[in-house]
Amino acid sequence: DTGVSQDPRHKITKRGQNVTFRCDPISEHNRLYWYRQTLGQGPEFLTYFQNEAQLEKSRLLSDRFSAERPKGSFSTLEIQRTEQGDSAMYLCASSLKMRLAGSGNEQFFGPGTRLTVL
Amino acid sequence: DAKTTQPNSMESNEEEPVHLPCNHSTISGTDYIHWYRQLPSQGPEYVIHGLTSNVNNRMASLAIAEDRKSSTLILHRATLRDAAVYYCILRSSNAGNMLTFGGGTRLMVKP
Repeated sequence: DTGVSQDPRHKITKRGQNVTFRCDPISEHNRLYWYRQTLGQGPEFLTYFQNEAQLEKSRLLSDRFSAERPKGSFSTLEIQRTEQGDSAMYLCASSLKMRLAGSGNEQFFGPGTRLTVL
Repeated sequence: DAKTTQPNSMESNEEEPVHLPCNHSTISGTDYIHWYRQLPSQGPEYVIHGLTSNVNNRMASLAIAEDRKSSTLILHRATLRDAAVYYCILRSSNAGNMLTFGGGTRLMVKP
């Protein structure tokens, strides 16, 4: 399977614990995105990387959230001191930067990691 | 990104065409119209995108109004596997690279 993979698929944790999710993008893709989706809502952008550089962060990304992409390949999203409001599906996507602006840049999404904070 | 408006839900019969509307009256000249869909328990997947002209691909067709203030995603023959939430998204070539999802349209396909 050459698509975007995410691990784990499900995570249940107690409030106050730290959790870390991993995303493996499509191998030649240089852009990687994290989104969060709560029940009944569309995904919300959290942050994005081009290669190893984190170029954009949403205001949704509080200081308890940190994302890394150390070698420009896989990425991790860590949530410290989890709260019940962090319960959501965390989606990762990747894309290939195109030379022509607006020419697709379609994003390929992984299956997501469902986080439940008790 | 400019805002889009879509119906919350639509129903279709299997093997019939489906027209999913999207209004984007504040679209700017640099905004591309993208459609993604999200099947149950999966991440979103790209469907189609366009700027001014109508577009066709193996999944769907995109019809864009002449004034670009609305567009319609056309599924030519709906199947049960097309039951999903369909998102219409405006994406500027000048702006950031994130996708701004709205609530989308939940398409139900009846056998």
